[in-house]
Amino acid sequence: EVQLLESGGGLVQPGGSLRLSCAASGFSFRSYAVSWVRQAPGKGLEWVSAISAGGGGTYYADSVKGRFTISRDISKNTLYLQMNSLRAGDTAVYYCARYPYQLLDHFDFWGQGTLVTVSS
Amino acid sequence: QSVLTQPPSVSGPPGQRVTISCTGSSSNIGAGYDVHWYQQLPGTAPKLLIYGNNNRPSGVPDRFSGSKSGTSASLAITGLQAEDEADYYCQSYDSSLSGSVFGGGTKLTVL
Repeated sequence: EVQLLESGGGLVQPGGSLRLSCAASGFSFRSYAVSWVRQAPGKGLEWVSAISAGGGGTYYADSVKGRFTISRDISKNTLYLQMNSLRAGDTAVYYCARYPYQLLDHFDFWGQGTLVTVSS
Repeated sequence: QSVLTQPPSVSGPPGQRVTISCTGSSSNIGAGYDVHWYQQLPGTAPKLLIYGNNNRPSGVPDRFSGSKSGTSASLAITGLQAEDEADYYCQSYDSSLSGSVFGGGTKLTVL
């Protein structure tokens, strides 16, 4: 069974940093591109970042470019999102999701999400 | 403001057919990129409903169907059921942004 389990969310002050993790199981993690998608409270979905299966290709939404860094550790079957210079507008539930076929296509599996709150 | 435009809400009584539109532009849907649809029940993660414009993953009832034409796409739900009450999102790729884009979401209410 494919599972994606996010962790690392919490309360952080504006300007602070946080690292999210997404532990993957039930599939060959090294073979799939994966992504982060966020959802602000009461709002819609926003694509944040994606990384290719091999890790050599990374992509970011303009809203987080230069502040967030996506990475993956194949040996740990884990996806990461390093978030720096956090702003109130980054407050959201962050989901990791898998691309079943090709990068930047559709998502077939999603995690349950982890809440990030940026507030003083 | 979302790159893909969806109506904020739609509604219908049980058994009826409803459609949800998703309007894009020449850099996403109009450029030929596929449209995908997700269903999000309250308090849960999104679930893939339609991929590649009109394909259903296994387990998704055939009451759900998708179509695409020009710079727009639509999700149709026939035989509306109470359990269909949820938020629905369209998604595509945008070449100008070099990334995935979502619609703002549509809340479906079953009257």
